[in-house]
Amino acid sequence: DAKTTQPTSMDCAEGRAANLPCNHSTISGNEYVYWYRQIHSQGPQYIIHGLKNNETNEMASLIITEDRKSSTLILPHATLRDTAVYYCIVRLLQGAQKLVFGQGTRLTINP
Amino acid sequence: DTAVSQTPKYLVTQMGNDKSIKCEQNLGHDTMYWYKQDSKKFLKIMFSYNNKELIINETVPNRFSPKSPDKAHLNLHINSLELGDSAVYFCASSRTSGRVNEQFFGPGTRLTVL
Repeated sequence: DAKTTQPTSMDCAEGRAANLPCNHSTISGNEYVYWYRQIHSQGPQYIIHGLKNNETNEMASLIITEDRKSSTLILPHATLRDTAVYYCIVRLLQGAQKLVFGQGTRLTINP
Repeated sequence: DTAVSQTPKYLVTQMGNDKSIKCEQNLGHDTMYWYKQDSKKFLKIMFSYNNKELIINETVPNRFSPKSPDKAHLNLHINSLELGDSAVYFCASSRTSGRVNEQFFGPGTRLTVL
């Protein structure tokens, strides 16, 4: 599995956009970028995924660079409930692929 | 209408005991997983079953034995519990042929071995 690197921690003011970067320079052509988050003491929760185009859903937007070596998860209007550890993971789309979690980014939303 | 459920939520036991954790999903998924999150918060895959067949078996002691009686259930039995087994164990499931193939996680079972 390709490795990802993320900042250990980030802070963001409530109501502002939170931009979480991720580097995945060794990603292969058929691997997708997935984002999950883990709110304190809960199971991880899927947020969004993409291959090479930018993606948006009700939770977030995902911007993937043209060379696919990095991406940014955007929470457009962060709330206190978005405080969590965010994990960037690269993996194949199909099959029973294990999720390889790194250290993630601990995002704290401040009032 | 819980998607992935685990029992028990908390489990406190003595070293050397044998215990089981149960997991059930009502999403109609074909694959289920067990992950372990240790005290340093690192999440690691342990096992995965696809249609009741073991397909992922990471380096896990033989004391851990998963069992999948049907596609909706994946239980984890642990023999001769050790202090280092203390962790939060998460069950997950997915539909491997889907467009998204995201994994849905249960609420976790916090195991404490004394």
